[in-house]
Amino acid sequence: GENVEQHPSTLSVQEGDSAVIKCTYSDSASNYFPWYKQELGKRPQLIIDIRSNVGEKKDQRIAVTLNKTAKHFSLHITETQPEDSAVYFCAASKGPSGGSYIPTFGRGTSLIVHP
Amino acid sequence: EAGVVQSPRYKIIEKKQPVAFWCNPISGHNTLYWYRQNLGQGPELLIRYENEEAVDDSQLPKDRFSAERLKGVDSTLKIQPAELGDSAVYLCASSFGQFTGELFFGEGSRLTVL
Repeated sequence: GENVEQHPSTLSVQEGDSAVIKCTYSDSASNYFPWYKQELGKRPQLIIDIRSNVGEKKDQRIAVTLNKTAKHFSLHITETQPEDSAVYFCAASKGPSGGSYIPTFGRGTSLIVHP
Repeated sequence: EAGVVQSPRYKIIEKKQPVAFWCNPISGHNTLYWYRQNLGQGPELLIRYENEEAVDDSQLPKDRFSAERLKGVDSTLKIQPAELGDSAVYLCASSFGQFTGELFFGEGSRLTVL
């Protein structure tokens, strides 16, 4: 099955700095890579995703890059703000498979933004 | 529009006791997932339903865990008997299946087994 590795497990930055979280996946058939943000005590929510036919995607201060050859993808957050503090999960999925996507999640990165 | 609803939010039980979690997905979402999230870990899939059919339950410990999704809408996950290692957050999620990869999660049910 798919295996997703995520680094670092904890990331501490000053407000205004950039943050980068990196993930690798094992199954070359994976074609969909979402990122979820989970604030303390709350549900995970999708913040950005990328499909295998695209190398980069941006949404305001957030960007995701994908290197299919190396089987790794990264989340970039620029101009970090205290409200960006949360746990971020990357995931990899083949899909749709059997009717839907089945994401395998990384272990998460706890991002702490210091004011 | 209401999101994915789960209950109870918190449950504390003694080991060997039974426990059940309930999930009501977003209306119209045909795919329903149950994930388990251990402290400091990412969600791990337990079972996935396409409408009322369980199509991926390879990670469900079938000796003690069971699930059902009657009429292809809400779902129940049961543990009987619970063990200390079952302490975790049980997340339910739903999606439109083949039309989108986005999962919509509930707030989770936090289980503590003493």
